[in-house]
Amino acid sequence: GAVVSQHPSRVICKSGTSVKIECRSLDFQATTMFWYRQFPKKSLMLMATSNEGSKATYEQGVEKDKFLINHASLTLSTLTVTSAHPEDSSFYICSARDGIAGGYEQYFGPGTRLTVT
Amino acid sequence: GENVEQHPSTLSVQEGDSAVIKCTYSDSASNYFPWYKQELGKRPQLIIDIRSNVGEKKDQRIAVTLNKTAKHFSLHITETQPEDSAVYFCAAKVAAGNKLTFGGGTRVLVKP
Repeated sequence: GAVVSQHPSRVICKSGTSVKIECRSLDFQATTMFWYRQFPKKSLMLMATSNEGSKATYEQGVEKDKFLINHASLTLSTLTVTSAHPEDSSFYICSARDGIAGGYEQYFGPGTRLTVT
Repeated sequence: GENVEQHPSTLSVQEGDSAVIKCTYSDSASNYFPWYKQELGKRPQLIIDIRSNVGEKKDQRIAVTLNKTAKHFSLHITETQPEDSAVYFCAAKVAAGNKLTFGGGTRVLVKP
């Protein structure tokens, strides 16, 4: 149980284009999902918290107009990187919390490696 | 906000020896402390967690201890095996919210 999928696993895009990343909870209802960014050999940096049916809460320094988050259902959240630039290249990982079960655990997706050329 | 410090950043042990990773947190209201294992290019996997009302928790070769007074918690891996080689992250969650604050990670290498 508690499986989170993420799509795509890898994406290469040109500078100036937008990229959408999907995060799905496969066997539970995720009332809350989280989006992280991870640079090589670094820790996970929380970008935003996404609650189903409401606006995402962004961490300080994260541009909400650049990183658009939508959490339209209890099993799907999307992150859109708009007008991507090479400095946006990174490993993006989502996690989900089972709001029905009520625990604190976060289950992570496999990540998306974004390369902007 | 919450700040989590993790030490050491790298740890090399001989197979069969024990490994200990320590974390400190800043917010005394934190109430949940998970540990994740991440292999290269893979997702972080929850290996053990502890809540603030418990001082110690053990699961086979892995144990976590929590000292609320000192605001630190530790991961102990006994009888290490080469497959324990990975990056380990500690994290803390404040009582009032859902988000986790992660430590900087510890790269563990178990030498056969």
